[in-house]
Amino acid sequence: AIQMTQSPSSLSASVGDRVTITCRASQGIRNDLGWYQQKPGKAPKLLIYAASNLQSGVPSRFSGSGSGTDFTLTISSLQPEDFATYYCLQDYNYPLTFGGGTKVEIK
Amino acid sequence: EVQLVESGGGLVQPGGSLRLSCAASGFTFSDHYMDWVRQAPGKGLEWVGRTRNRANSYSTEYAASVKGRFTISRDDSQNSLYLQMNSLKTEDTAVYYCARCSYGSGSYFLDYWGQGTLVTVSS
Repeated sequence: AIQMTQSPSSLSASVGDRVTITCRASQGIRNDLGWYQQKPGKAPKLLIYAASNLQSGVPSRFSGSGSGTDFTLTISSLQPEDFATYYCLQDYNYPLTFGGGTKVEIK
Repeated sequence: EVQLVESGGGLVQPGGSLRLSCAASGFTFSDHYMDWVRQAPGKGLEWVGRTRNRANSYSTEYAASVKGRFTISRDDSQNSLYLQMNSLKTEDTAVYYCARCSYGSGSYFLDYWGQGTLVTVSS
């Protein structure tokens, strides 16, 4: 199975900060990667698909990049509602695998 | 409006069985692949499995941790997705989500999720 290594596992940031989260795949996955946001007690929400495509309705401060093995989720200016846990998910082959998650906390 | 509503969770003893359901509305259910994803208490997300659509023979894929014990099925006439869970273990305790799978820009992704249903495996 493809391993998805997500870093950091947690970070503290302030409103207005630029935040970057990375995901590294154990083998090339083309651009078959999505990013999901999850708030406590809620279902995950799709932010980015196919590595760099913004899901409809998601604010433009979220962006994704990368291809092959290295991927990045960037929040250009952190807002109060962005404090949550973020996961990457590879859909290149089976079994699908998630990264371990990045918890974004208030500094 | 796309809606996915899971049901059927509860407390079950180790070795027991449980069947989860996911009722879909607001989209053409039969067109889409559908997935199950779970989350153990305080842990990250784990993909459980997928069922493809009729055009792809309703074929299925599973995580190694559930293969041979869990079965995903669907009833397109009822817009419903199911997860039959047998030989349950304590480590299967989790919130189970159903999710709609869509395709775009050359990739699949899970664009709508249900609210989840809690399965607790304990004696």
